[in-house]
Amino acid sequence: DTGVSQNPRHKITKRGQNVTFRCDPISEHNRLYWYRQTLGQGPEFLTYFQNEAQLEKSRLLSDRFSAERPKGSFSTLEIQRTEQGDSAMYLCASSPRDAYGYTFGSGTRLTVV
Amino acid sequence: SQKIEQNSEALNIQEGKTATLTCNYTNYSPAYLQWYRQDPGRGPVFLLLIRENEKEKRKERLKVTFDTTLKQSLFHITASQPADSATYLCALGGMDSSYKLIFGSGTRLLVRP
Repeated sequence: DTGVSQNPRHKITKRGQNVTFRCDPISEHNRLYWYRQTLGQGPEFLTYFQNEAQLEKSRLLSDRFSAERPKGSFSTLEIQRTEQGDSAMYLCASSPRDAYGYTFGSGTRLTVV
Repeated sequence: SQKIEQNSEALNIQEGKTATLTCNYTNYSPAYLQWYRQDPGRGPVFLLLIRENEKEKRKERLKVTFDTTLKQSLFHITASQPADSATYLCALGGMDSSYKLIFGSGTRLLVRP
């Protein structure tokens, strides 16, 4: 297993378009997290899955954002009707249990023009 | 309000010296605290975890302390090297029933040869 994989690495989209990102976690890890990071800031929590169940969502996750993890494997994060304020690095991480270090992917950098 | 504070100014030190980074928090009760390293354009990489009942943790040239009375963690890199130059993030976890980590904004470390 080569770690957490995120695709695409970069995405440029026009305002108002929909985008979808994919995350493939480490296969043995049942916990999967999505974070968003802007320049000079730490990662901000968006949502958390344990297996296929979405157990926690941030208030940052407006109704334009949706995340899924079908069958408890890979996960997708979709942003509908993108806005310039959505421009950020979207990070996915996985871990095998609580109180354990996260393994992050390299992120998807989204630019909304 | 809840806050995690890390020095926003970069820490600039000479190779071979010990780097000390600070993480202070208010209005949180973490069960554990983690430190991550992040290089530009990459996802964070887990370094160390310390629990609330532990005072100190070491790993090779790294040392972390955790003082729940002061609500502070110190992160030390001894015999620093230019390759240690990166941004270092602290993250709080195990709070209430939440499953997520809350990250500070990070401190950039520059080690001069």
